[in-house]
Amino acid sequence: DIQMTQSPSTLSASVGDRVTITCRASQSISSWLAWYQQKPGKAPKLLIYKASSLESGVPSRFSGSGSGTEFTLTISSLQPDDFATYYCQQYNSLWTFGQGTKVEIK
Amino acid sequence: QVQLQESGPGLVKPSQTLSLTCTVSGGSISSGSYYWSWIRQPAGKGLEWIGRIYTSGSTNYNPSLKSRVTISVDTSKNQFSLKLSSVTAADTAVYYCACGYSYGCGYWGQGTLVTVSS
Repeated sequence: DIQMTQSPSTLSASVGDRVTITCRASQSISSWLAWYQQKPGKAPKLLIYKASSLESGVPSRFSGSGSGTEFTLTISSLQPDDFATYYCQQYNSLWTFGQGTKVEIK
Repeated sequence: QVQLQESGPGLVKPSQTLSLTCTVSGGSISSGSYYWSWIRQPAGKGLEWIGRIYTSGSTNYNPSLKSRVTISVDTSKNQFSLKLSSVTAADTAVYYCACGYSYGCGYWGQGTLVTVSS
């Protein structure tokens, strides 16, 4: 099984900050990685697929990078609507999600 | 616009079988290269993938749940279904259905809470 480890688990930031979340895979997953945003009581929303491809309709302040086992999600300028929990997901072999990163207001 | 909607009992007794259906609207479940997944999320916890099905009928399951899970598809009804047997309180969660595709498929159902309790 492929394990996904996100860091940090919680992140405190202010509006306008640049935010980076890291996701590590226990083995190479090439670029088969997605990032989701989830708000309380809502289904996850796809932000990024294939490590760096922006889903249609997602603001350009979101970007993804990486390949192999190390990946990052960057929010270039944090907006009020971005306070949420973020999950990485590998889909190289079945699906596995990271444990989530909660982005809180500082 | 494709939409997914979960349906099924919100309360299941311990040791019984949880059964949910996901109805796909706004598009054919058989079109394109999509496959169809079930995911669950216990209250306050992270996402756990349960399994997936292709419209060919081919399935893959989470190894930790494989012995208890069956996913099936009914293309004539544009639906796919989940059965989870021998449930316990640990299976209490919000259950989501979603699509999957190598180049991004962001369609998820709104989720349905299933509680396992006598």
